[in-house]
Amino acid sequence: AQTVTQSQPEMSVQEAETVTLSCTYDTSESDYYLFWYKQPPSRQMILVIRQEAYKQQNATENRFSVNFQKAAKSFSLKISDSQLGDAAMYFCAGPLFNKFYFGSGTKLNVKP
Amino acid sequence: NAGVTQTPKFRILKIGQSMTLQCTQDMNHNYMYWYRQDPGMGLKLIYYSVGAGITDKGEVPNGYNVSRSTTEDFPLRLELAAPSQTSVYFCASIRPGNTEAFFGQGTRLTVV
Repeated sequence: AQTVTQSQPEMSVQEAETVTLSCTYDTSESDYYLFWYKQPPSRQMILVIRQEAYKQQNATENRFSVNFQKAAKSFSLKISDSQLGDAAMYFCAGPLFNKFYFGSGTKLNVKP
Repeated sequence: NAGVTQTPKFRILKIGQSMTLQCTQDMNHNYMYWYRQDPGMGLKLIYYSVGAGITDKGEVPNGYNVSRSTTEDFPLRLELAAPSQTSVYFCASIRPGNTEAFFGQGTRLTVV
């Protein structure tokens, strides 16, 4: 069963504009972390942002922020002032008990 | 600090051959994972380990075996390689509390 779902295979954004990537998940745990990872063509996995479930406040890292809706099990990533270097695959990920699952990814294109 | 080290980076196998993908981490993490990533797809969990001597299956374990004799090492064994195992393989370890995953650089495996 898929426990982390990304429903947007590909998205495009104009440079300097804002884009939101969606993610939903399923877990029976009460406390957990959720993550967004960026994977450029080099295939390196780069941590973008992390959210702890018991924290009500949405995490923010510079131009990256999340909209975490615990009851809805939704965890979206907002990228503000998009830059050409943001073009990559983005994966939502989260632990379920001892396992660490990834979504299928969203390919982000940034247009100059 | 080396982090997570995977070897080899590239490998071509013939159908029916066997090989071991090596993964070593020097962060004293208990949790370690093996994933495969097919082209344009997300990461699928193959096997994971929560500590030395303890391993368990993930989403796609068929055709693979693992062992965890030490905290540092988590090798992945492919027996009787098949073309369906052509993929990029990632090893990861997770900081206690599931606060962040650290990834190796990946192994690109082609089975012909």
